[in-house]
Amino acid sequence: EPEVTQTPSHQVTQMGQEVILRCVPISNHLYFYWYRQILGQKVEFLVSFYNNEISEKSEIFDDQFSVERPDGSNFTLKIRSTKLEDSAMYFCASGTSGGGEQFFGPGTRLTVL
Amino acid sequence: SQQGEEDPQALSIQEGENATMNCSYKTSINNLQWYRQNSGRGLVHLILIRSNEREKHSGRLRVTLDTSKKSSSLLITASRAADTASYFCASITGGGNKLTFGTGTQLKVEL
Repeated sequence: EPEVTQTPSHQVTQMGQEVILRCVPISNHLYFYWYRQILGQKVEFLVSFYNNEISEKSEIFDDQFSVERPDGSNFTLKIRSTKLEDSAMYFCASGTSGGGEQFFGPGTRLTVL
Repeated sequence: SQQGEEDPQALSIQEGENATMNCSYKTSINNLQWYRQNSGRGLVHLILIRSNEREKHSGRLRVTLDTSKKSSSLLITASRAADTASYFCASITGGGNKLTFGTGTQLKVEL
């Protein structure tokens, strides 16, 4: 069964460093998402991406964040200058239709020291 | 309350019993979805119910939606130890496609 994959599973970085989180969505999906979950808190929406552009983003997704689909398979989230409060589990998701079921990857745990 | 609040926050039952989790929301929805999350892992989609549907079944899962009360419930029948996980409701609203998650219910099924 096809699944969303994410790398790395765990990333440790120093405050102020740039990180790139990588995702490979399910191949025939057209909608792509990033969410995050700070330990013990709700899953929060960051950004959605469709037709090679951002379709929606949350207040969390400020200028420090960017997304890219550099080729036909990868979908990346870049945090330019990490802060301590960026420490969280980051989930990538994909779907065939906007507003429908979303398939989540296993997540990348980001720890900012 | 926030969009997507669930109760109870935690539920502990014996294997074979039924588990019921409730979700309330504030704004009108297009659909409401339930997801399961095993500890420290990704979210798994369980079931989607549209705003014009009242009840939906999938295997041992039964979901109801009451748009007049802005609430939904998830019933897991004949629970198993493997059902131990956190369960989240998540809604799609307006013309968007982002999921707004609830606070979740931690279910523990004991042998």
